[in-house]
Amino acid sequence: DAGVIQSPRHEVTEMGQEVTLRCKPISGHDYLFWYRQTMMRGLELLIYFNNNVPIDDSGMPEDRFSAKMPNASFSTLKIQPSEPRDSAVYFCASRLTGGGNEKLFFGSGTQLSVL
Amino acid sequence: SQQGEEDPQALSIQEGENATMNCSYKTSINNLQWYRQNSGRGLVHLILIRSNEREKHSGRLRVTLDTSKKSSSLLITASRAADTASYFCATDDGYSTLTFGKGTMLLVSP
Repeated sequence: DAGVIQSPRHEVTEMGQEVTLRCKPISGHDYLFWYRQTMMRGLELLIYFNNNVPIDDSGMPEDRFSAKMPNASFSTLKIQPSEPRDSAVYFCASRLTGGGNEKLFFGSGTQLSVL
Repeated sequence: SQQGEEDPQALSIQEGENATMNCSYKTSINNLQWYRQNSGRGLVHLILIRSNEREKHSGRLRVTLDTSKKSSSLLITASRAADTASYFCATDDGYSTLTFGKGTMLLVSP
């Protein structure tokens, strides 16, 4: 398996623009997580899905952020409109339930810069 | 909110030396995990220790867990330049999610 795949790797945009980050989890994994990493706040959980259903979005900072998982192999995180304070690295991670295996598999992240 | 807090924030050692990183947390846990992050990359799982375990080994890694003190330590023995990375502890409270600390940056000089 290729692992968790995120795109794009880098995104530079101007304030006010819409940004869409994409994630393909590992095939067969039933949990998908979106994290944001900054120097100041570290790794923050934004939202997670179980079997494509959003379970907890309490970490989503504002209504400008939304996430979807239309099927088991694809998820998006959208920011509209984007602001400079949204600049961060966004990670997607997936996990398979059961077998005592609770570890997360992370993608390589999307480095977002909002100018 | 942060659950785990790593200490020290940064650690610089020479190749061949041992590196010890500590993690403290606040609430009850199901398990505690350590991850490594190389610059510009995603996190990679290293080792998991359950709440009923006190010590675990994996290659050059040794993890201890003291639930009475709500703390864990990660020991990397005979460090190599390739061990240079940030190391994070993450706590699993049994509710499906992991909460990460801010990490320890380890620099191993040749």
